[in-house]
Amino acid sequence: GNSVTQMEGPVTLSEEAFLTINCTYTATGYPSLFWYVQYPGEGLQLLLKATKADDKGSNKGFEATYRKETTSFHLEKGSVQVSDSAVYFCALLVGDMRFGAGTRLTVKP
Amino acid sequence: DAMVIQNPRYQVTQFGKPVTLSCSQTLNHNVMYWYQQKSSQAPKLLFHYYDKDFNNEADTPDNFQSRRPNTSFCFLDIRSPGLGDAAMYLCATRELAASYEQYFGPGTRLTVT
Repeated sequence: GNSVTQMEGPVTLSEEAFLTINCTYTATGYPSLFWYVQYPGEGLQLLLKATKADDKGSNKGFEATYRKETTSFHLEKGSVQVSDSAVYFCALLVGDMRFGAGTRLTVKP
Repeated sequence: DAMVIQNPRYQVTQFGKPVTLSCSQTLNHNVMYWYQQKSSQAPKLLFHYYDKDFNNEADTPDNFQSRRPNTSFCFLDIRSPGLGDAAMYLCATRELAASYEQYFGPGTRLTVT
């Protein structure tokens, strides 16, 4: 079946540190891949997406590249801010959306 | 310019007392989804509507029902809430075949006392 595995948290970083959150997937067919962010008490917001192999999604300094050979879609940011503190969900879409378990990121000043 | 609206944002109900959560959209999307999310876990799909066609996930309890009277509105009915149903309920929409993206509402946090 289709599924997403992402790095377990929580992740705690200092401001301006480099961020990587790993995400791998298993899917039949050719999924689209997403990263969603959820701030406390709010719904999910789309952060970035990639719809085919080798596509790079980017937004607000975050990037992720669709790697078909490694079935991965790792999220990266070169310099995190306190305002990036949130829960990040990797997801794939083949028919229905499947989410990873989420990774809580806390950025300290 | 809210596109997916959920009301109320916070709902308290008593054990066993029916409750209805509301979702509306201004996007005119043909698909509407309901997810249950507990404690920042992955959202769990309960069911979705493609136009008027209802699609239930196999493991969604019978206690959960849904209605979609028109394109804009979709309701989640919990017939007899239990303590285990306390969660954030997320509504999302999508225009099938036009976009890969699901647009989420802010969610309704349900508390069962």
